[in-house]
Amino acid sequence: DGGITQSPKYLFRKEGQNVTLSCEQNLNHDAMYWYRQDPGQGLRLIYYSQIVNDFQKGDIAEGYSVSREKKESFPLTVTSAQKNPTAFYLCASSNLGETQYFGPGTRLLVL
Amino acid sequence: GEDVEQSLFLSVREGDSSVINCTYTDSSSTYLYWYKQEPGAGLQLLTYIFSNMDMKQDQRLTVLLNKKDKHLSLRIADTQTGDSAIYFCAERPLKTSYDKVIFGPGTSLSVIP
Repeated sequence: DGGITQSPKYLFRKEGQNVTLSCEQNLNHDAMYWYRQDPGQGLRLIYYSQIVNDFQKGDIAEGYSVSREKKESFPLTVTSAQKNPTAFYLCASSNLGETQYFGPGTRLLVL
Repeated sequence: GEDVEQSLFLSVREGDSSVINCTYTDSSSTYLYWYKQEPGAGLQLLTYIFSNMDMKQDQRLTVLLNKKDKHLSLRIADTQTGDSAIYFCAERPLKTSYDKVIFGPGTSLSVIP
């Protein structure tokens, strides 16, 4: 089965804690993306990567970090510097110039 | 600037047609997309239209594109309760350094049995 997986489905963060959200794809896509979704708003781009070992900031990168050590994996770390992390996080992937496909999402909640 | 606008809510009766509207600002956009999001789930690509087309039909879905007014619509015929979801319109501008896609805020469709 080809697709994009995200884990965990729900994640709880304590004050001052860094947490990492996983995103894996077996579609052999070159590009991967992280979006944040808040109620009543469209998706906002956090980071994107067009190729292994390279990534770029999106519109709201502050308080987040990523890595792209393997083509199929693009983990997102929400750092303690992100003061309002509660949101639904969506990972997507695509071949360059083609449609983006999305994973099932991770909901992050603050304790 | 780049912006995609949609009304936030739409309510229809089961069996009626639903029309979800969207306006976008970038006339260079190459592709325009409709995604569906069910509660607690990711976005599912419903359909897309290339900017040189006026209309695309796929079973119960009809997409209309008015390039002059930068207006996109999605018509769902014979709307069912399973169509209740949030529908996102998105555009892909031509002149960007990466495969940038701009999403609207989403239209929450409620289908009344």
